[in-house]
Amino acid sequence: GAGVSQTPSNKVTEKGKYVELRCDPISGHTALYWYRQSLGQGPEFLIYFQGTGAADDSGLPNDRFFAVRPEGSVSTLKIQRTERGDSAVYLCASSLRAGGKGNEQFFGPGTRLTVL
Amino acid sequence: KQEVTQIPAALSVPEGENLVLNCSFTDSAIYNLQWFRQDPGKGLTSLLLIQSSQREQTSGRLNASLDKSSGRSTLYIAASQPGDSATYLCAVETQGGSEKLVFGKGTKLTVNP
Repeated sequence: GAGVSQTPSNKVTEKGKYVELRCDPISGHTALYWYRQSLGQGPEFLIYFQGTGAADDSGLPNDRFFAVRPEGSVSTLKIQRTERGDSAVYLCASSLRAGGKGNEQFFGPGTRLTVL
Repeated sequence: KQEVTQIPAALSVPEGENLVLNCSFTDSAIYNLQWFRQDPGKGLTSLLLIQSSQREQTSGRLNASLDKSSGRSTLYIAASQPGDSATYLCAVETQGGSEKLVFGKGTKLTVNP
């Protein structure tokens, strides 16, 4: 597709369960970012991949959160033992990052996670 | 730590008005500033990207300016239309860190017919 895609669009789970959220970036984009947006707030950074490696995971709130990008394209954000406070919209973005800084980030539609 | 503030938090105007949204940031060492639009329940649509070396960018009825030294940006919307109703977010990419964006909380714009 032409843009960033995310699946599922909505996910409802029970407290304590494990969830996986998927992001498919724009083809050819080497940089991939995950953000989390709570109601009435701006998105907050979680983790950034350059290629297959996590270049910055300083935004992950705790060790229940983990993300992978094994082949440098699709990424999966994994949340263990979900808590009600994890409920938010999880946004993925990608950028070309063909060297240098200041590349435009393009966002997907997000996954709305609700933990009951 | 970079902090981004957007004023006002909400704005309601009649159709046809020109309007200005404000964004300020605390650390002027940035690579770029991006303005986004977010419709309810949707993701972010990039509107304009201003590199740190630039003073402004224009796209259609939108014009964004950047004063890096004072830590300010404005988004000017000319001849507003009901279809412009959305939340507008500004975000900066700061030097010296990773390539993450730091966002403001947004300005919720309502344009009344």
